[in-house]
This record gives sequence, structure tokens and C-alpha cells, in this order.
Amino acid sequence: KNQVEQSPQSLIILEGKNCTLQCNYTVSPFSNLRWYKQDTGRGPVSLTIMTFSENTKSNGRYTATLDADTKQSSLHITASQLSDSASYICVVRDTGFQKLVFGTGTRLLVSP
Amino acid sequence: KAGVTQTPRYLIKTRGQQVTLSCSPISGHRSVSWYQQTPGQGLQFLFEYFSETQRNKGNFPGRFSGRQFSNSRSEMNVSTLELGDSALYLCASSFSTGDIQYFGAGTRLSVL
Repeated sequence: KNQVEQSPQSLIILEGKNCTLQCNYTVSPFSNLRWYKQDTGRGPVSLTIMTFSENTKSNGRYTATLDADTKQSSLHITASQLSDSASYICVVRDTGFQKLVFGTGTRLLVSP
Repeated sequence: KAGVTQTPRYLIKTRGQQVTLSCSPISGHRSVSWYQQTPGQGLQFLFEYFSETQRNKGNFPGRFSGRQFSNSRSEMNVSTLELGDSALYLCASSFSTGDIQYFGAGTRLSVL
């Protein structure tokens, strides 16, 4: 069964600190991997999208990395801000079934 | 340009009733996907439409159905509501299948 697992489940960091969220997947073959940010009560917003041939992609203070060999991705947040408090969801597109497989997310709380 | 619009934002129904949710995609987007989000299960894929045709379907019972109109607007219907159907229902649109998706704010359905 194709799965996407994220860790940690939740995380609390101090404002200004960096953090890294992990995503491990077993989806194969896959066409792309996405990271979304979801604020409480709102729909997810795309942060990055990477194909299997890309190793890293940045969007402001967010940097995603992908290792297609080990089937791992990470999302690094630099100089965290209070507005970064949200759930971060890793999504992998299954090329075979043409479906998106969602992780259960990491809930990040940035504390002042 | 306007984002993805979902109506209504909140809905309260009782068991056994049926409900119809509406989604207006971003202008020019022809692909619309629906998701169910619950605290325990995360985001679960319901179905995907492109040019009025259902392209993909998730593992949900037949009580869940949808359709897409010629203007790309989409509706989702749930019949014979159950308590477990209480969730946030999210709609996402993209230019084409496989492209980056933009989510609406969702419809929060409560079944009493």
C-alpha cells in the first residue's frame, strides 16, 4: 500500500529558530512531491512542488529537499515566525494510479 | 484573480439527510478535486474531475458522488448522511490534472 509518513507529528519551537520536518514515502512510481501549509480552519496552500529529478526547491524561508533514492523529503523552515504556526502536509503523486497520497501532517507551533 | 470558492462554509445536517456542496474553481482551471479532512484521518481523496469527466475516485462509498459542469464548477453530494461524515470538505482546482492545486477554504459539515 502506498503511504506517506510524516514526522514529527507535532513540534513546538521558539520564534526565530529553524526547524526541519520529515516526509518518508513508499509511493512508487511517483511523479512529484508537494509540501502544503494549512492554517487552522483554512484550505492548504502550496509551498513547493518537486519532480523526482529535483533535489531542492526554495520558497522564501521554506526549503524542500528530495532524495528519490531513499524516498525521503524534508521541509526546512528558517528563522521561524509566529505565522508559521500551521500544519504542514507532504503529498506524493502516484504516477501509476494518478492519485495524490497525503501524509497526516506535522503540526508546528511557533512560540514567542 | 478570485481563488477557489466553496459554498456553504458551514452546514449542519441530521443523520439520513442528504447534502450538496458547491465549488467554483479559479477561472481557467478545468480540473477539480474533492477531499475529506478529519482530525484522525487527515486528507482523504474523494474524486477528481476534468472537463466534466470523473478521472479518479477514492475509496469512499457510493453515497458520495459528484459532478462537474461545463463551466468547470463542481458539486459534491452525500446521501443518507452518517455521523462519521462530519468533516471539512475541501475542493481544489488546477489548470490540468497533475498541476499544482489551489484549495478553497472548505465546507465544514456537521452531522447530528
